[in-house]
Amino acid sequence: SAVISQKPSRDICQRGTSLTIQCQVDSQVTMMFWYRQQPGQSLTLIATANQGSEATYESGFVIDKFPISRPNLTFSTLTVSNLSPEDSSIYLCSVDRTGRAFGYTFGSGTRLTVV
Amino acid sequence: GESVGLHLPTLSVQEGDNSIINCAYSNSASDYFIWYKQESGKGPQFIIDIRSNMDKRQGQRVTVLLNKTVKHLSLQIAATQPGDSAVYFCAEIPSGNTGKLIFGQGTTLQVKP
Repeated sequence: SAVISQKPSRDICQRGTSLTIQCQVDSQVTMMFWYRQQPGQSLTLIATANQGSEATYESGFVIDKFPISRPNLTFSTLTVSNLSPEDSSIYLCSVDRTGRAFGYTFGSGTRLTVV
Repeated sequence: GESVGLHLPTLSVQEGDNSIINCAYSNSASDYFIWYKQESGKGPQFIIDIRSNMDKRQGQRVTVLLNKTVKHLSLQIAATQPGDSAVYFCAEIPSGNTGKLIFGQGTTLQVKP
């Protein structure tokens, strides 16, 4: 299965600032996904990062708050903008498992704390 | 709307016993269901999946059962070990959607030595 490296693993940020999270995959993948996991909660899909086109956002998530880049088939970034304490969460990237139609591999996540 | 939920937030079992984690889903048109294990400080780890045209699938020490009649999914772990302690999530993939995972709320499995 694909190996995913996510950076940073954690960060503490001041409110009003932004944090950019990087996701690097060791093989080319068509689709990359960004999820949010609020404290003690399950995972919620933020958006699908498509190479060569705009990201597709889920209901409740907007590009101005969560801009996404996908410059190639192995890399994506998620920026969480204008941070507030409510943005304190774990952010995870995910890719389709190599060679399978379903079943998705996750990175280890970025734990963001906004103070 | 679509939802995937779990019956119990926490399950405590004795080491060596079998564990059963349950999940209810509401979208009868979903194609796939996946069980993930998430240990503290880590991302979800794929355990096993099952297609909607199957009732049962077995892996190493794990079995997933799918009951489409009552829209119920379960994960059975045989001979539970301390290393199985984690949060377990079921996830659903709606029909025709190859990307979106809808996650349940999670069950914490605690294994007592």
